Amino acid sequence: RKEVEQDPGPFNVPEGATVAFNCTYSNSASQSFFWYRQDCRKEPKLLMSVYSSGNEDGRFTAQLNRASQYISLLIRDSKLSDSATYLCVVNEVIKAAGNKLTFGGGTRVLVKP
Amino acid sequence: EPEVTQTPSHQVTQMGQEVILRCVPISNHLYFYWYRQILGQKVEFLVSFYNNEISEKSEIFDDQFSVERPDGSNFTLKIRSTKLEDSAMYFCASSRLSPLAGISYEQYFGPGTRLTVT
Repeated sequence: RKEVEQDPGPFNVPEGATVAFNCTYSNSASQSFFWYRQDCRKEPKLLMSVYSSGNEDGRFTAQLNRASQYISLLIRDSKLSDSATYLCVVNEVIKAAGNKLTFGGGTRVLVKP
Repeated sequence: EPEVTQTPSHQVTQMGQEVILRCVPISNHLYFYWYRQILGQKVEFLVSFYNNEISEKSEIFDDQFSVERPDGSNFTLKIRSTKLEDSAMYFCASSRLSPLAGISYEQYFGPGTRLTVT
């Protein structure tokens, strides 16, 4: 089983609509999670951290379900500029020496006028 | 806003040659990382570096790879003898010190170096 699994998409979304997608992870001991955004041939950019209680940042809402080992991202009122690949990332703490990120393959979102 | 920088943006090299990829992490960050992304594939962890030593490395990071922090600002990745399969985008990342055990701070990525091995 892949460590972090995502639906590759693409999700074709009309501008202004809401889109949501999930990611599953295999390591039940994983403690922290992130969503990153990646534009074509660019670096991953941190979108938001995912907390146990779920969190919201503007039009973006992230949820964590530890029992089922999945996290979700919801985008409301989609903008054309939201078109990107969204990377689900699971974090593993390396003792007291930083952390190691495991990336999913990404979910591609295309927002169309 | 401080950011991670990387040079060069694109490096073309012949198989068997040595390459050094350079990164300048965010100035108050103490943890440094290298990742790579082969075209069309997912981002993969290579190595983490803290307190002037490697704290973790992946299976990809074999004897051909090394990292160094030669001065107070640069963080480098060296590939001793490049192979065709080393062609990828290499991303440097950094994160700041965590004051509490088990709490991880977000990693910020540089723009990457596209390495092409011919």
